[in-house]
Amino acid sequence: QIQLVQSGPELKKPGESVKISCKASGYTFTDYAMHWVKQAPGKGLKWMGWINTYTGKPTYADDFKGRFVFSLEASATTANLQISNLKNEDTATYFCARLPHPGTNWFAYWGQGTLVTVSS
Amino acid sequence: DTVLTQSPALAVSPGERVSISCRASEGVNSYMHWYQQKPGQQPKLLIYKASNLASGVPARFSGSGSGTDFTLTIDPVEADDTATYFCQQSWNDPRTFGGGTKLELK
Repeated sequence: QIQLVQSGPELKKPGESVKISCKASGYTFTDYAMHWVKQAPGKGLKWMGWINTYTGKPTYADDFKGRFVFSLEASATTANLQISNLKNEDTATYFCARLPHPGTNWFAYWGQGTLVTVSS
Repeated sequence: DTVLTQSPALAVSPGERVSISCRASEGVNSYMHWYQQKPGQQPKLLIYKASNLASGVPARFSGSGSGTDFTLTIDPVEADDTATYFCQQSWNDPRTFGGGTKLELK
């Protein structure tokens, strides 16, 4: 079955960097883009962008250009999200998510989420 | 960006019917989707493209609407439906989510 398994919680200080992973299984990794979604504590969901898992090309939503980097370890069927120069407002749960089929644009599969806490 | 507006919270009794609304700031055709999220869990797809039931979702859930006004209906509501419900549009770029409606059972 299709699974997206994310790395564990992270506690970081402002100015540090963090890298979150999303390990995919149960399907051909390069057939589906991987999307990332942010959820601040007690808040709603915000789409961050996506990475083409075939070409490696990332696309970022406007609010996530600059300090956020999507990358792949294709041989490991893993997508990564790296956030540099962490700020308090980066404290959130980050989800990876996948569309059900190519050409669709809603999220049928989600990772369990990775909580990143930024605190001095 | 397309802003999706949802009521913050609703309270209903088990067995009743509840309608959760989502209003878009601009037209999204039928590209509105609904998710359920329980505390500490990832969102779960319930409805896609306004009215299509996702695989494995009970028929108690249904969706309707087009353009700017959409509704998720649960009938009848069960105790396990306690959760936050989010709408999401994918017609306009960037795709956006509503703020969520927290459903509580009396």
